[in-house]
Amino acid sequence: DAKTTQPPSMDCAEGRAANLPCNHSTISGNEYVYWYRQIHSQGPQYIIHGLKNNETNEMASLIITEDRKSSTLILPHATLRDTAVYYCIVRVGRGSQGNLIFGKGTKLSVKP
Amino acid sequence: GAVVSQHPSWVICKSGTSVKIECRSLDFQATTMFWYRQFPKQSLMLMATSNEGSKATYEQGVEKDKFLINHASLTLSTLTVTSAHPEDSSFYICSASVPTGVGEQYFGPGTRLTVT
Repeated sequence: DAKTTQPPSMDCAEGRAANLPCNHSTISGNEYVYWYRQIHSQGPQYIIHGLKNNETNEMASLIITEDRKSSTLILPHATLRDTAVYYCIVRVGRGSQGNLIFGKGTKLSVKP
Repeated sequence: GAVVSQHPSWVICKSGTSVKIECRSLDFQATTMFWYRQFPKQSLMLMATSNEGSKATYEQGVEKDKFLINHASLTLSTLTVTSAHPEDSSFYICSASVPTGVGEQYFGPGTRLTVT
């Protein structure tokens, strides 16, 4: 599975958009981009995933570059409860098979 | 939908005893579940992949005789830490994939194990 690179930490003002970047320059054509987050002392939470097209759900938007070598997770109106470690993971979408490999992620701090 | 529960949420046990942690998929059937371990200020590390009706697949360096995994049904996987030692103290998290999905996993809330 392709390796990802994320900044170790970011700050964001409450109410503003949080844009979290992820580089995955070695991504293969059949690999998806998944985003998860982990709030302190809780299990990770699935946020969104995408293959080629940009995706949006009730939590966030995922923007994938045309060459698929990088992506950005956007939280449109960050709140204090969005403070967490955000993980970008690239992996083949194998249905119920295949584990996730977690890197160090980006620690997002939303400040009032 | 896609809710995964774990029990207990925290447990304290004495060195040398065994502890069982349950992981349940509440609203879907999971043929595959995963067990992770997380030490303080570190990322999640996969311990094993649990397959319903068959033996678990352990990651390199994880002792299968110490961390017993049973996936007896499509909604339940258990992790038993046998002869626990203080160095086994950690945050244990399970996850499961929705069979109709494209690989996204849903995680339990985790179990904090402290071995004294």
